[in-house]
Amino acid sequence: GAVVSQHPSWVICKSGTSVKIECRSLDFQATTMFWYRQFPKQSLMLMATSNEGSKATYEQGVEKDKFLINHASLTLSTLTVTSAHPEDSSFYICSARDRRDRGRAINYGYTFGSGTRLTVV
Amino acid sequence: QKEVEQNSGPLSVPEGAIASLNCTYSDRGSQSFFWYRQYSGKSPELIMFIYSNGDKEDGRFTAQLNKASQYVSLLIRDSQPSDSATYLCAVNPWPGYALNFGKGTSLLVTP
Repeated sequence: GAVVSQHPSWVICKSGTSVKIECRSLDFQATTMFWYRQFPKQSLMLMATSNEGSKATYEQGVEKDKFLINHASLTLSTLTVTSAHPEDSSFYICSARDRRDRGRAINYGYTFGSGTRLTVV
Repeated sequence: QKEVEQNSGPLSVPEGAIASLNCTYSDRGSQSFFWYRQYSGKSPELIMFIYSNGDKEDGRFTAQLNKASQYVSLLIRDSQPSDSATYLCAVNPWPGYALNFGKGTSLLVTP
């Protein structure tokens, strides 16, 4: 089945530094990557949607200059948390839409990465 | 704001019983509906999806959809302790759009 490899699985960084999270689709081409954030005991909150070769679309309240998303190829998308602060500590998860799903009338689901636990100290 | 509502629980059921999880959604035009299971500290894993009114069965799991009532449910038969997790309901408004998630229902299956 479709696999999205997400790295790192966990990272601890100092306040003010930047952290890059990678998501790679291993056996399919991902036209769209969704980035979610999940705080403890909360649900997944969509941060942004990125389409290959296009600028990401950010949800209201998400700072695009702080959370830099790059989707330069059909198999790789990255999220960079710049100048991280303790309030950015969260579980970040990517979710990819298979290029072959385009044109389908029904969404059969997306493939999730394994998540990245970010702790900013 | 498109809402997906779930009872946060915890829902506690004895081993072997049927667990019933419910979800309502506000966007009447939503196309497809998903149930994910999430263990603590892990990424969600897809259990089932459904897009037509009625029931859909897969092993011990049955998803039920009622678009008129904007309601989707998940039944887990013969519940096992390994089923203890948080169950997330997700709604897709249109193919290619992001999934909207509920807050999840915590399920505890006691031996």
